[in-house]
Amino acid sequence: QVKLLQSGAALVKPGDSVKMSCKASGYTFTDYIIHWVKQSHGKSLEWIGYINPYSGGTNYNEKFKNKATLTVDKSSSTAYMDFSRLTSEDSAIYYCARLTTPFAFWGQGTLVTVSS
Amino acid sequence: DIQMTQSPSSMSASLGDRVTITCRASQDIGNYLSWFQQKPGKSPRRMIYGATNLAAGVPSRFSGSRSGSEYFLTISSLESEDMAIYYCLQSIQYPLTFGSGTKLEIK
Repeated sequence: QVKLLQSGAALVKPGDSVKMSCKASGYTFTDYIIHWVKQSHGKSLEWIGYINPYSGGTNYNEKFKNKATLTVDKSSSTAYMDFSRLTSEDSAIYYCARLTTPFAFWGQGTLVTVSS
Repeated sequence: DIQMTQSPSSMSASLGDRVTITCRASQDIGNYLSWFQQKPGKSPRRMIYGATNLAAGVPSRFSGSRSGSEYFLTISSLESEDMAIYYCLQSIQYPLTFGSGTKLEIK
């Protein structure tokens, strides 16, 4: 079955970067785009962007354009998100998701805590 | 960006009640509207797609409907397992945008 397995929680210092992963299984990785979504504590969901694993093409929310970089490694069916120049506002759970119709699949989320 | 205005932000209802949550879109989104359920510590789960289509495995007490630019998620007879936060999502245009969420509690 389709699974998106995300990397574990990260504790990072302000100003640092963090790279999180999302390993896909159960389907052909290059057939579907991968979305990334942010959920700050107790708040709603924000779409960060997507990457097309086949072409490497990306589409970012303007809000995250200078913050997030999406990449993939086709050989390992893994999508990555690099989040840079972290501040306390970036402390959140980050999800990868395949938002296809009719089936949608989400990773379990990666908790990022920014603290000195 | 398309704004999704969701209401109410929270509500409390009794078991067996009929519950309706609303999302209003700031622009025409056709039927590109999904509803997600999120329980504490869990990832979101899609309940409805295409405004009115029940996702696989979702109980039939859930339904989605539309009237103009307003979209509705209805639970016909509330059960205890329905306690969660519900979000709408428009997917007609990037950036994708979510509603602010409705926290549903059981009285």
